[in-house]
Amino acid sequence: DSGVTQTPKHLITATGQRVTLRCSPRSGDLSVYWYQQSLDQGLQFLIQYYNGEERAKGNILERFSAQQFPDLHSELNLSSLELGDSALYFCASSVRTSARNEQFFGPGTRLTVL
Amino acid sequence: GIQVEQSPPDLILQEGANSTLRCNFSDSVNNLQWFHQNPWGQLINLFYIPSGTKQNGRLSATTVATERYSLLYISSSQTTDSGVYFCAVVDNYGQNFVFGPGTRLSVLP
Repeated sequence: DSGVTQTPKHLITATGQRVTLRCSPRSGDLSVYWYQQSLDQGLQFLIQYYNGEERAKGNILERFSAQQFPDLHSELNLSSLELGDSALYFCASSVRTSARNEQFFGPGTRLTVL
Repeated sequence: GIQVEQSPPDLILQEGANSTLRCNFSDSVNNLQWFHQNPWGQLINLFYIPSGTKQNGRLSATTVATERYSLLYISSSQTTDSGVYFCAVVDNYGQNFVFGPGTRLSVLP
């Protein structure tokens, strides 16, 4: 158990819908990262937050957005869902924002868009 | 951006065998981690190893940063070792991981 929690574990929805994925980092970790794992693209970085502020952006679509709240939990919002958004979404956390810090991954949310 | 390659792409072993997985990267790194993704999809941290050598039970890892590669050794493999092993790196300019394509390991009883 990494100490990072993600809810829900599984999500099934339809095209055009909007969903919210939730992540709670390890106790004491200020940085949260979101990653997407799809069959054709592999594991890709989406976005990073540190202590409530956006720090880095990767291959995140404009239909996706994220935020980190004062209690440090983070939410990833996916809207106007398409079939291709079906993937495993991972959240990771680290102590600080430095790239040198070890990242710990949550169990993931499996999203299926029908 | 940094490129990450892993070899072999697939590996089938008999229980009890040893194996070496390799990760090559194209630039200097600040961070390198090895992960095991089990058949249920969970990503499990194995090693944080931007340089040097570490051991944890039957697993060990070595990163030679100057030559831009890392090795993961699995000894006396067990069926529970099956899954995909990923190497992930952060280069000197970045903040986030770039993952390799993974090595899929199948350990047969």
